[in-house]
Amino acid sequence: SQQGEEDPQALSIQEGENATMNCSYKTSINNLQWYRQNSGRGLVHLILIRSNEREKHSGRLRVTLDTSKKSSSLLITASRAADTASYFCATDYDYKLSFGAGTTVTVRA
Amino acid sequence: EAGVAQSPRYKIIEKRQSVAFWCNPISGHATLYWYQQILGQGPKLLIQFQNNGVVDDSQLPKDRFSAERLKGVDSTLKIQPAKLEDSAVYLCASSLEKAQPQHFGDGTRLSIL
Repeated sequence: SQQGEEDPQALSIQEGENATMNCSYKTSINNLQWYRQNSGRGLVHLILIRSNEREKHSGRLRVTLDTSKKSSSLLITASRAADTASYFCATDYDYKLSFGAGTTVTVRA
Repeated sequence: EAGVAQSPRYKIIEKRQSVAFWCNPISGHATLYWYQQILGQGPKLLIQFQNNGVVDDSQLPKDRFSAERLKGVDSTLKIQPAKLEDSAVYLCASSLEKAQPQHFGDGTRLSIL
């Protein structure tokens, strides 16, 4: 069964705006990862945040983790058309990843 | 570095036929994964190898699915016989070690008629 659940399921924004998506999960984790998937392609790793970390940045990406609420968020700032993709959170427990169903982000030019 | 290679990219078969997928991971990656991704869902782990040993195959339907990783490098996933519900994208991924970020291939899209 899939542990992570992303919200919203779909998001449409204008180029230059910020995009925020959330992930909730149910059990303990070692770390939480975010991946991007372009249509017809494999997943690409974006960022990993460990269970003892609260926030992490990578370029235009900002990830937060709240283990007390069992939730994470991914913020993409100053979005570009190339950010159009599906975004998945994946929880790592016992060296196995469980993926959510993803958030589909469309960036309009 | 070269990425994870998978073949074929597309496969169409009839139900009850058999099919095989091939994966070549990134050189030096000890851990290899096979995932099933049904349309509109996230990937579901089928099997995980550490070198050429199976670490986890708890979600592999063993009555019809089998996988092997020869010499700790390439891997094949087989379905025999296929059912309509097996229509999905089969993704292969690899990582340096377990708990490291995974690198994915572009997958094989399987359609069952």
